[in-house]
Amino acid sequence: DIQMTQSPSTLSASVGDRVTITCRASQSINNYLAWYQQRPGKAPKVLIYKASSLESGVPSRFSGSGSGTEFTLTISSLQVDDFATYYCQQYDSYSPTTFGQGTKLEIK
Amino acid sequence: QLQLQESGPGLVKPSETLSLTCTVSGGSISSASYYWAWIRQPPGKGLEWIGSIHYSGSIYDNPSLKSRVTISLDTSKNQFSLRLSSVTAADTAIYYCARRGSRYYLDSWGQGTLVTVSS
Repeated sequence: DIQMTQSPSTLSASVGDRVTITCRASQSINNYLAWYQQRPGKAPKVLIYKASSLESGVPSRFSGSGSGTEFTLTISSLQVDDFATYYCQQYDSYSPTTFGQGTKLEIK
Repeated sequence: QLQLQESGPGLVKPSETLSLTCTVSGGSISSASYYWAWIRQPPGKGLEWIGSIHYSGSIYDNPSLKSRVTISLDTSKNQFSLRLSSVTAADTAIYYCARRGSRYYLDSWGQGTLVTVSS
């Protein structure tokens, strides 16, 4: 299985801050990397796919970058609604597809 | 607009079989472009992919679940289902159904349903 490792596990930040979350894959995943946001009690929602493509309807303050085995999700200016947990997922292989362990973004 | 809705018992006894159904509205599960997936999340923990099915019958499942998983489709009802046998407390989780879209990521999710394994 391809292992996905996110860092940090928890991130404290303030409204207006720029934040970055990192996701590392145990092998190359050909940029088949998605980022999801999960608010408490809700299902995950895709933000970014193919490492850097913004899903329709997602605010432009979210961006993704990276290649090979290292990827980042950046939120340029945090809004209140952005305090949530974020997961990366590799979908280069669906045997199985795997998620990172999550990064909880908390209000400082 | 595509909607997915999970349904099934919220409480299952140890060693029994967990059965869930996902009803899809606003789109057809018979579309060649999509796979239909199950993902679970133990309370307070991360996401684990269980498996996915295509209307053609093609299935991907997670080897970590050691063949306890059966995923099936009912095109007449626009539903797909999950059966997980020999459950233990470790299978207690929120179970989500989702669509793997034409770009291969999970682009639409149900709201999730909590299943507790307890006697």
